[in-house]
Amino acid sequence: AQTVTQSQPEMSVQEAETVTLSCTYDTSENNYYLFWYKQPPSRQMILVIRQEAYKQQNATENRFSVNFQKAAKSFSLKISDSQLGDTAMYFCAFMKHPYSGAGSYQLTFGKGTKLSVIP
Amino acid sequence: GAVVSQHPSRVICKSGTSVKIECRSLDFQATTMFWYRQFPKKSLMLMATSNEGSKATYEQGVEKDKFLINHASLTLSTLTVTSAHPEDSSFYICSARVAGQGMQETQYFGPGTRLLVL
Repeated sequence: AQTVTQSQPEMSVQEAETVTLSCTYDTSENNYYLFWYKQPPSRQMILVIRQEAYKQQNATENRFSVNFQKAAKSFSLKISDSQLGDTAMYFCAFMKHPYSGAGSYQLTFGKGTKLSVIP
Repeated sequence: GAVVSQHPSRVICKSGTSVKIECRSLDFQATTMFWYRQFPKKSLMLMATSNEGSKATYEQGVEKDKFLINHASLTLSTLTVTSAHPEDSSFYICSARVAGQGMQETQYFGPGTRLLVL
């Protein structure tokens, strides 16, 4: 079974500054996907960024980027130029590759990190 | 990104009644959808995997006779909470799996349904 660990229950950052949220995972799979989802106070889960394990290049989406270290099973999220709208719970999630058999397609979530952006 | 709708967004019902929640993929087909439950300030707990045209797969500890799931089409899955009780009060979220159709393997989430059972 896979596990996802987010070791920072809460974090805060000043507006316009940079913050990094950590995520580690445990799996015996070699091929999989990793995601960061954001859940603002509205509680709508929003996809922030995705990473395919077989790609060495770190994914980026505008102000969001990841540091994917496959050997270390680490997948941190960096938010640059933080904005007030970035205030939310951030969940790291793991998904086995669809061809991996039982349990494929299911997301395994971490417990989340509550990020507060301070004006 | 792809859009998933969920209806209703909020429902209040009396104990003993049944409540149906709909999850729709609006601009893509979803052979697989998922139903989650989320308690306040907690992560998402997977309840079941809904597959179009076949029976849902329930997670351990989830009563299949209480939480009925139907995935009758490629764009609609429904969750019916039967004989609801106050302990069923929670936030229910669906997600839909996107694969192919010009999009990368990902899950997109509905906005959630807040259920309150009195």
